[in-house]
Amino acid sequence: NAGVTQTPKFQVLKTGQSMTLQCAQDMNHEYMSWYRQDPGMGLRLIHYSVGAGITDQGEVPNGYNVSRSTTEDFPLRLLSAAPSQTSVYFCASSASRDRATIYGYTFGSGTRLTVV
Amino acid sequence: GNSVTQMEGPVTLSEEAFLTINCTYTATGYPSLFWYVQYPGEGLQLLLKATKADDKGSNKGFEATYRKETTSFHLEKGSVQVSDSAVYFCALSDRGSSNTGKLIFGQGTTLQVKP
Repeated sequence: NAGVTQTPKFQVLKTGQSMTLQCAQDMNHEYMSWYRQDPGMGLRLIHYSVGAGITDQGEVPNGYNVSRSTTEDFPLRLLSAAPSQTSVYFCASSASRDRATIYGYTFGSGTRLTVV
Repeated sequence: GNSVTQMEGPVTLSEEAFLTINCTYTATGYPSLFWYVQYPGEGLQLLLKATKADDKGSNKGFEATYRKETTSFHLEKGSVQVSDSAVYFCALSDRGSSNTGKLIFGQGTTLQVKP
């Protein structure tokens, strides 16, 4: 089925460890983004990309890196995990940035990350 | 800046009851407005949207009308079912100068429907 695929679904890390959250979409969407969801705070934008080779920061980028080498993939890297990064992470995509603001996103099913 | 405020939950209803979840917003310009639904253990799914004032979005028996005069986008359903139990998020598109493609989300409202 077409959509946004995130892996893994669950992950436990120790403080200071690194890991990569994977995100892939098969809809040929140009725009991809990462959000984190925390209780009582809704979703907050971490990083976004408007196309292959182009990425930019959202409102909470510290501690996270991204790259976009292909249209399909948009991985999120945690270089040195901290307990404050315990959260649920969602990848989302849209055909373009403009269509994202008019029609919204397609979301992945999320990665629940716990940093101990 | 732009923001979304939702009524706090949880909202607990009996099956076949009428549902209203309030959402108000602050925005410059002409944002699109959205309701997303998150079922337990799943990602967010777009439930309905409205792209301009007085538009009514509808899907699966849910409705919401874009009211610019009251800056509101309240979600309603005439008769809820147990299967509607989920977290509902109101959101707006941020078409400000940052141009990130960002959606601004409310904090979410949990709906519990009892048989």
